[in-house]
Amino acid sequence: DTGVSQDPRHKITKRGQNVTFRCDPISEHNRLYWYRQTLGQGPEFLTYFQNEAQLEKSRLLSDRFSAERPKGSFSTLEIQRTEQGDSAMYLCASSLHGTTSGRSYNEQFFGPGTRLTVL
Amino acid sequence: RKEVEQDPGPFNVPEGATVAFNCTYSNSASQSFFWYRQDCRKEPKLLMSVYSSGNEDGRFTAQLNRASQYISLLIRDSKLSDSATYLCVVNPRDTGRRALTFGSGTRLQVQP
Repeated sequence: DTGVSQDPRHKITKRGQNVTFRCDPISEHNRLYWYRQTLGQGPEFLTYFQNEAQLEKSRLLSDRFSAERPKGSFSTLEIQRTEQGDSAMYLCASSLHGTTSGRSYNEQFFGPGTRLTVL
Repeated sequence: RKEVEQDPGPFNVPEGATVAFNCTYSNSASQSFFWYRQDCRKEPKLLMSVYSSGNEDGRFTAQLNRASQYISLLIRDSKLSDSATYLCVVNPRDTGRRALTFGSGTRLQVQP
């Protein structure tokens, strides 16, 4: 399977614990994104990387959240001192930035997500 | 006001029906537009990009009206398998942002 993969698929943790999620993008994709989705809402952007550089962070990304993409391939998202409000599906997506016929594209492909439950 | 607004539905339609979803966006500098489909408890999957000239892919037609800042998706001859949530997605690009802004989705239920 050459799609985006995420690990773990489910995580249950107690409030105050730290959790880390991993995302492996499609291999030739240079951009990687993290989103969060809660029930009844569309995904909300958290942060994105172009290769290993973190180029944008949402206001949603509090100091307790940190993301890395050390070698420009896989990425990790860590949440420290989890709170019940952090319970959500955390989605990773990747894309290949470029242009074709003068039209730039940014079609993102999503992984299956990590569902986090904070008790 | 949300950046991308959609009617949450649900739209309940019989098999074979034609159904249309609309979506409005607030940022006039937006450059790229998409429809994603999301099945229950699954990840969003790209259904189609939306181009200024409009585009069609089989039973699906997407249109963009930049002047009114709205995007539409038309599904003809609905199938049971079309039941899903359809997410309207915009790439703002005004400050060099690359992330997508999603609407909350419109739920479609096709009934036999």
